[in-house]
This record gives sequence, C-alpha cells and structure tokens, in this order.
Amino acid sequence: GNSVTQMEGPVTLSEEAFLTINCTYTATGYPSLFWYVQYPGEGLQLLLKATKADDKGSNKGFEATYRKETTSFHLEKGSVQVSDSAVYFCALSDHLGGTSYGKLTFGQGTILTVHP
Amino acid sequence: DAGVIQSPRHEVTEMGQEVTLRCKPISGHNSLFWYRQTMMRGLELLIYFNNNVPIDDSGMPEDRFSAKMPNASFSTLKIQPSEPRDSAVYFCASRGAVSFFGQGTRLTVV
Repeated sequence: GNSVTQMEGPVTLSEEAFLTINCTYTATGYPSLFWYVQYPGEGLQLLLKATKADDKGSNKGFEATYRKETTSFHLEKGSVQVSDSAVYFCALSDHLGGTSYGKLTFGQGTILTVHP
Repeated sequence: DAGVIQSPRHEVTEMGQEVTLRCKPISGHNSLFWYRQTMMRGLELLIYFNNNVPIDDSGMPEDRFSAKMPNASFSTLKIQPSEPRDSAVYFCASRGAVSFFGQGTRLTVV
C-alpha cells in the first residue's frame, strides 16, 4: 500500500534561516504529491503540489520537487518567517480516475517553530 | 465559495452519548472524505464517498461509527455510543482537482 515518511520533528529555526523538511514515499504507479500546512486550531491548507516526475511545486516561497528516482518530495524555503510556524504534512494520492478517487495518505507531520 | 463547512467546531459530550458531526462540502466537488487526527495516530482516513456513494469505509474503527451522505451538499459522521478514546479532531474534506479541508470538529468525550 501507499505510505509517506517525514523527517522527525519538531524543527526549531531562527527567522531567515533555511528550511528543509524531508519526505519520502512508497506508492504503486504515479501518485500526485502534496504539502499541506496546519496552523494552530485550523484545518489543513494546501501549500503546494506536483503531479508528475520532475515537477516543482511552489507557493509563498516554499518549493518541493517530485523526484521519482529517490521517491522524495522534500520541502524547502530559503528564509523562514515567524508566521511560518505550523505543522507541515507531506501527502500523496493516486491520480483521479483510478479507484481511490484521490484519497490522501499523509505523513506524520512535522512541527516547525520559528523564533524571531 | 465558503469552503468546506463543518459543525460544530467543538463538542464535549459524556461517554455513552450519541455524537453527530456535520459537513457541507464545496459545491461541485464529487468526493468527500472524513479524517480523524490524534497525537498518537496522526491523520487517519475513516471513510470516503464519491457522488454520495460510500466507496471505502475500511478506516472506520468500529461499528459505533457510521457515516451518511444523503445528498451532494451534506454528510454526517455519527458515533453511538461515544467513548473517551474517540476524543480527537475530525476533519471533512472535499475534492475537485485537489482536496480542501474544513476547520475540523474537536470532540472531547468525558
């Protein structure tokens, strides 16, 4: 079955530091890959996505590249802000049109805290 | 669009009581998912629907849990009877091209 593994957290950084959160996956076929972010007391928000190998998803200064050869989708940001403090989830889904209707399989989440 | 709307946002109930969580998906989305989030297990998929039809309920933990989707704009997740170990945040999500999540219902069973 599908699975997603994220780097262990929590991660604590100073403002303007470089961020990397590692994510690797196991899946059959060609899944779509996602990063979701959850701010305290909120639901999950889609941060970025990539649907095929070598695609780069980007949003709000965050980037992740779909690497099929290493089955990875690492999240990066060059300069984090205090407002980026949240929980980040890596996820995958089978393509729409299959039998899973796009259900998401999540990693365990990584807590990011950014200090001024 | 107002997004996925869940109610209530918070629910505190006594063990043994029936609990009903509600979800209004985004109009036009064909798939609806119920997830549960706990510290121990993270995010778990409980059940999902496509065009109002339940597709996979293998994630529903016990017979005490049931879900319905009577029409394209409404779904419920019911727990009867509730137990303290059901305490969690329950999320509903609907999917068009990608999944959008509601704000969640924080359930506390005492």
